[in-house]
Amino acid sequence: EADIYQTPRYLVIGTGKKITLECSQTMGHDKMYWYQQDPGMELHLIHYSYGVNSTEKGDLSSESTVSRIRTEHFPLTLESARPSHTSQYLCASSETSGEVNEQFFGPGTRLTVL
Amino acid sequence: GQNIDQPTEMTATEGAIVQINCTYQTSGFNGLFWYQQHAGEAPTFLSYNVLDGLEEKGRFSSFLSRSKGYSYLLLKELQMKDSASYLCAVMDSNYQLIWGAGTKLIIKP
Repeated sequence: EADIYQTPRYLVIGTGKKITLECSQTMGHDKMYWYQQDPGMELHLIHYSYGVNSTEKGDLSSESTVSRIRTEHFPLTLESARPSHTSQYLCASSETSGEVNEQFFGPGTRLTVL
Repeated sequence: GQNIDQPTEMTATEGAIVQINCTYQTSGFNGLFWYQQHAGEAPTFLSYNVLDGLEEKGRFSSFLSRSKGYSYLLLKELQMKDSASYLCAVMDSNYQLIWGAGTKLIIKP
């Protein structure tokens, strides 16, 4: 079944740790996105990719990096986690050639940095 | 700047009709999306409008007026499971989605 997956679902870590949030999709979508969302707030775009070896920064500077080596995989890395990184991280993907091109979201990773 | 405005919270009664409004100011327009987000879960796609008018999909309808920068989501025959946040998002001239903060809809029996 075509879907989008994120791991881990929940993560509690200490300040200064390096972490990687995983995102994979089996829908063959070219476009992938990382969003950050605090409770009751809007989604903020952190990074996006239009295809393999293509990555761009979004409007929120989160001191993170991404890579897109394979179409289906779009991991997000925080080199040195801080308490201000505590948030929900949502990965999404979309087609590029359809009429609507809605974004499909993964279940999210809830990150707590102590 | 770009912004999307929606009411923060609305309350409605089971079985009734509710209209959630969204106004936007963006650099360019390439479509407006409505998403539903239950607490602690990811957003799921509800509807898309790119031309003026009403799009109907079962109990949910969405309306767009590009000249007024205005959209609404209409939910009919409300059910308890419709309790969620409803997010309005506009695709701008760079084909990026600009998101509203969402409207939390509370359904009472």
